[in-house]
Amino acid sequence: DAGITQSPRHKVTETGTPVTLRCHQTENHRYMYWYRQDPGHGLRLIHYSYGVKDTDKGEVSDGYSVSRSKTEDFLLTLESATSSQTSVYFCAISVGQGEHMGGYTFGSGTRLTVV
Amino acid sequence: SQKIEQNSEALNIQEGKTATLTCNYTNYSPAYLQWYRQDPGRGPVFLLLIRENEKEKRKERLKVTFDTTLKQSLFHITASQPADSATYLCALEWGGGGNKLTFGTGTQLKVEL
Repeated sequence: DAGITQSPRHKVTETGTPVTLRCHQTENHRYMYWYRQDPGHGLRLIHYSYGVKDTDKGEVSDGYSVSRSKTEDFLLTLESATSSQTSVYFCAISVGQGEHMGGYTFGSGTRLTVV
Repeated sequence: SQKIEQNSEALNIQEGKTATLTCNYTNYSPAYLQWYRQDPGRGPVFLLLIRENEKEKRKERLKVTFDTTLKQSLFHITASQPADSATYLCALEWGGGGNKLTFGTGTQLKVEL
């Protein structure tokens, strides 16, 4: 596998609490992404990163922030969790660029429940 | 904004037959399109990428076509097996750099003995 791990795998948290999800890669890829997956909506991009300290918003970024202080780590933070953020969160890396473009490699996901 | 449509109804086929899944998109002309497989409780797994100047691409029992005029991609699995049962996702390059992808909701394939 491409060496991408997410932690934690499962989390239950209370409404209003901050939550941080971690994505770690071992292969020095430039691009990293956070998606959420919900029934009927599929995978939706939250934020992405194109390098250390370089991040940008995706389709559903409200209520989320990200940080990338090292190439290998991409953190997703829910500043004040809400029930609508109950979801499965996937981190992904993009393999290759341009003519050598491959697909994404996804982590195993974090199932987050906000009660 | 771009919209991707995949058949939300499950596709049930008999082992040995060819499965054909459809991905339609609107409002965009992607430079490439990708297909993924997702099993329950797991992250999606990349299968194939096809570029806008390619009509067809094959990998073992998989074949993907890309018709930029019709704004449609077809994904074929020949000689299907029960192990091919999964949800298959279509994804388009979003544009604006960053190799960003937008995904369809997927079609569930069930291959029966």
